[in-house]
Amino acid sequence: AQSVTQLDSHVSVSEGTPVLLRCNYSSSYSPSLFWYVQHPNKGLQLLLKYTSAATLVKGINGFEAEFKKSETSFHLTKPSAHMSDAAEYFCVVNTGFQKLVFGTGTRLLVSP
Amino acid sequence: DTAVSQTPKYLVTQMGNDKSIKCEQNLGHDTMYWYKQDSKKFLKIMFSYNNKELIINETVPNRFSPKSPDKAHLNLHINSLELGDSAVYFCASRTMTRNQETQYFGPGTRLLVL
Repeated sequence: AQSVTQLDSHVSVSEGTPVLLRCNYSSSYSPSLFWYVQHPNKGLQLLLKYTSAATLVKGINGFEAEFKKSETSFHLTKPSAHMSDAAEYFCVVNTGFQKLVFGTGTRLLVSP
Repeated sequence: DTAVSQTPKYLVTQMGNDKSIKCEQNLGHDTMYWYKQDSKKFLKIMFSYNNKELIINETVPNRFSPKSPDKAHLNLHINSLELGDSAVYFCASRTMTRNQETQYFGPGTRLLVL
């Protein structure tokens, strides 16, 4: 069965420093993977998605993620954190049966 | 213009009551979903409809009944509300482009059962 594991429940960074949010996936075939962001009391917004076209995927707000099959990882990165990046981030895999399976989320805290 | 909208945004009610949450999408998508996000932020799919037909029904109590009057709307009716139903409920709609799907989520309905 397809699943994702987000390795950190919380990540704290200072404004202007790099962000790394880790995600490992489990899939019996080449998966479709997504990162969604949820700001406090807001809905879910799609940041980026991997659909096998390119292993390095660029998303909105300066985020990008790299699909590494050898490591079964799809980590989310950003070179320089901004205060507005503070939110909950979800790594998501498409099971192939029209269902998305969500990771448990990583809360990103950004300090001035 | 909001692509996926939900009403109400907040809902506070007593145990035992019956309530409905509405969802509308103006994206022209055929498939819509309901998800539940619990207090630990864990999101899980509840239902999926394609062109007004139920296609996914996870193990959700039958007190929860989705209704799709047309493919742009998917409402969720909950009977005999229980404390454990308190959660954020998200509606989503799905697009398929070159066999790749993307789901777009509504802003959520925060349900509190007292």
